[in-house]
Amino acid sequence: ETGVTQSPTHLIKTRGQQVTLRCSSQSGHNTVSWYQQALGQGPQFIFQYYREEENGRGNFPPRFSGLQFPNYSSELNVNALELDDSALYLCASSLELGREEKLFFGSGTQLSVL
Amino acid sequence: QQQVKQSPQSLIVQKGGISIINCAYENTAFDYFPWYQQFPGKGPALLIAIRPDVSEKKEGRFTISFNKSAKQFSLHIMDSQPGDSATYFCAASGGYSTLTFGKGTMLLVSP
Repeated sequence: ETGVTQSPTHLIKTRGQQVTLRCSSQSGHNTVSWYQQALGQGPQFIFQYYREEENGRGNFPPRFSGLQFPNYSSELNVNALELDDSALYLCASSLELGREEKLFFGSGTQLSVL
Repeated sequence: QQQVKQSPQSLIVQKGGISIINCAYENTAFDYFPWYQQFPGKGPALLIAIRPDVSEKKEGRFTISFNKSAKQFSLHIMDSQPGDSATYFCAASGGYSTLTFGKGTMLLVSP
């Protein structure tokens, strides 16, 4: 086990709704990244948080937003859901910024948008 | 623009055979090249990784070969086992950038 837990494991929403996905990182991990993995594709970087501040962002629109909390938990929020948002959303934490070799992934939240 | 290209898309190998997956990258700033293994319903797990200062790294049955001039790297799985059946992703990162993943290779090891 990686020590990174995500909830819920599965979620079904309808187009236009809003969703919040949650992640609990390993204790002491001050960096968390979120990835979107569409069916049959590799994970794509959404954004990264370091010490509760957004530190980098991939090619995703502003309706994808996040938060990181002092207790090593974080959230991914998606507004105005679209059908193409259906994917596995992965949270990954690491001990410090730039230490990709110490990156640990959770099992993900499978989001279906109908 | 896909910065890490992975092939083949799928691979079937007999038990005991060698599985070979290839990746090519474009960004010369990349300096960390990991391979991840993903089973259905699970997140990716780090399998083995290499930095450009070496041309090969071996851990058990898994070997990464790295060719800096060609901007290519590959994963070799020796003595492939049915339990190795999974999806494998190559990835790359550089500096403080996060991982850029390939599209994945679905490996099936037949008994």
